[in-house]
Amino acid sequence: DTAVSQTPKYLVTQMGNDKSIKCEQNLGHDTMYWYKQDSKKFLKIMFSYNNKELIINETVPNRFSPKSPDKAHLNLHINSLELGDSAVYFCASTTGTAGSPLHFGNGTRLTVT
Amino acid sequence: GENVEQHPSTLSVQEGDSAVIKCTYSDSASNYFPWYKQELGKGPQLIIDIRSNVGEKKDQRIAVTLNKTAKHFSLHITETQPEDSAVYFCAAATGANNLFFGTGTRLTVIP
Repeated sequence: DTAVSQTPKYLVTQMGNDKSIKCEQNLGHDTMYWYKQDSKKFLKIMFSYNNKELIINETVPNRFSPKSPDKAHLNLHINSLELGDSAVYFCASTTGTAGSPLHFGNGTRLTVT
Repeated sequence: GENVEQHPSTLSVQEGDSAVIKCTYSDSASNYFPWYKQELGKGPQLIIDIRSNVGEKKDQRIAVTLNKTAKHFSLHITETQPEDSAVYFCAAATGANNLFFGTGTRLTVIP
């Protein structure tokens, strides 16, 4: 069983469209994240949720809106997609205890044309 | 915020040789330093971590060292094998798991 699963794995869409990426973890973790990895492999945190509450919201355009219906799910909705949004988006989870490891999903490769 | 620098960006070694990747961090309050391995098409996976109250940790062919005074930490892989080829990330965190990642090192092990 995959611990952190994201769908879809690939997403190709045109500029201006709205799209969502879903994430689910079956580890019983309290904290979930979205990271963005650009073409140079740089990993940058976007959002963090703890028990469905937003904890971290880095400087991300408000076209990006995370939603956590329960602590096992953290979805990412993106409005009015732009070329610069093309990247690989990773969901991750952790217990929330300081110094506990992050478990990453396998990523969603978003390509905006 | 924390700033983590990682070197080198690419590293090629012959199979059986050792590989060393170095990172520095800026926030002296950081107290957790994990290393992640990312294989093609997959998410980063934790391979080893170290906390600020420890200077060195070893797990089979992988070791990590931490120098708190100098604010740097290193990953050492001995007896490298082709399956060690991947992108490696260091990270630093203060308190509650807000991980700041280095820029990654692409390691190639040449058979």
